[in-house]
Amino acid sequence: DGGITQSPKYLFRKEGQNVTLSCEQNLNHDAMYWYRQDPGQGLRLIYYSQIVNDFQKGDIAEGYSVSREKKESFPLTVTSAQKNPTAFYLCASKDRGRTSTGELFFGEGSRLTVL
Amino acid sequence: SQQGEEDPQALSIQEGENATMNCSYKTSINNLQWYRQNSGRGLVHLILIRSNEREKHSGRLRVTLDTSKKSSSLLITASRAADTASYFCATGGTSYDKVIFGPGTSLSVIP
Repeated sequence: DGGITQSPKYLFRKEGQNVTLSCEQNLNHDAMYWYRQDPGQGLRLIYYSQIVNDFQKGDIAEGYSVSREKKESFPLTVTSAQKNPTAFYLCASKDRGRTSTGELFFGEGSRLTVL
Repeated sequence: SQQGEEDPQALSIQEGENATMNCSYKTSINNLQWYRQNSGRGLVHLILIRSNEREKHSGRLRVTLDTSKKSSSLLITASRAADTASYFCATGGTSYDKVIFGPGTSLSVIP
């Protein structure tokens, strides 16, 4: 089945450590997104990528880094510079073709807790 | 920056009643989308309405868009307990735009 896979589902990190969250999609979508969600709140855009080897900062990019070396993969690294990294992280993808509906397809999320 | 803002933040209704959620946004859009999120899960796309459309239906969902007021509403008719979830509006969505979400409305449908 086509979809987006995020891993790990749960992750614990000590302060000062970098962690990388994985996001893989087999939908052949060009665009991919990372959002952060805090309890009871909406989604805030961290980074997005419209095409391989290109990405743009969202509204809260500080303390995060991404890469887009392959179309199907868009990993997010939460660095030690991120002051408050405990959150639920959601990855999404979107078709950019002429027939695209603009719909985002989401993974099931990764919950990061800093101890 | 938050493009969409939902209202109310929380809504509790009895099963069988209708639920209406509103969304306001700040800048011009190409389309507006509504998503649903069950607790601790990813978001699921419900419906998209383009800027040149005023109303759209999908099953028990009815979405309206008023570009002059920069607002949209989502109506869920004959609600069910299974409709309990958070609902988000999102703006942008063209191939080359970033997609921005509002803070969401938490809907509780009491059996």
